[in-house]
Amino acid sequence: DAMVIQNPRYQVTQFGKPVTLSCSQTLNHNVMYWYQQKSSQAPKLLFHYYDKDFNNEADTPDNFQSRRPNTSFCFLDIRSPGLGDAAMYLCATSRAGAGEKLFFGSGTQLSVL
Amino acid sequence: AQSVTQPDIHITVSEGASLELRCNYSYGATPYLFWYVQSPGQGLQLLLKYFSGDTLVQGIKGFEAEFKRSQSSFNLRKPSVHWSDAAEYFCAVGPTDSWGKLQFGAGTQVVVTP
Repeated sequence: DAMVIQNPRYQVTQFGKPVTLSCSQTLNHNVMYWYQQKSSQAPKLLFHYYDKDFNNEADTPDNFQSRRPNTSFCFLDIRSPGLGDAAMYLCATSRAGAGEKLFFGSGTQLSVL
Repeated sequence: AQSVTQPDIHITVSEGASLELRCNYSYGATPYLFWYVQSPGQGLQLLLKYFSGDTLVQGIKGFEAEFKRSQSSFNLRKPSVHWSDAAEYFCAVGPTDSWGKLQFGAGTQVVVTP
């Protein structure tokens, strides 16, 4: 019973070619997050949506954008991927309360050629 | 400044042996404390969390963690590891008064040998 679903599992794109990663949830959670995780590192928060409110981390490059058309879906758009953007991208959701657990998807592994 | 430190980047343990993973934090007040596990190629899964009450917290998969305020630590333990425990383990902290983003440690990679 997958609750946070990410597609595709693996994505290969070319340098500079826009790419979109998708995330859907069946939990009806208020908050959705996008994390970037490079090899052997902690997940790095890129941005999150608190309901419809978009919150960008200060150090997230402008190259990264996100859309949340409804509660269930959230997209990560990389406008012009560079080699340094190759990473695992993790979507997560949570309720909006202190100490709430994060539910993660299995991630999308992005390769940039 | 808030920070989470996991001093051990990599730990190798024999199957059946005990495991302890260290986590130290720096925070304005006692935060919510979490341990997440990430199996290869997967997202993170919550093992356990602590805010208040009994300082020894039981989690899933036979893990437990002990909060020590005086040491600002929240170490994770398992008495007897299984091969399936090979994974990356992340300690994280979050605010207690309202919703807020988590801060993750750098992680500890656990390798289990036969």
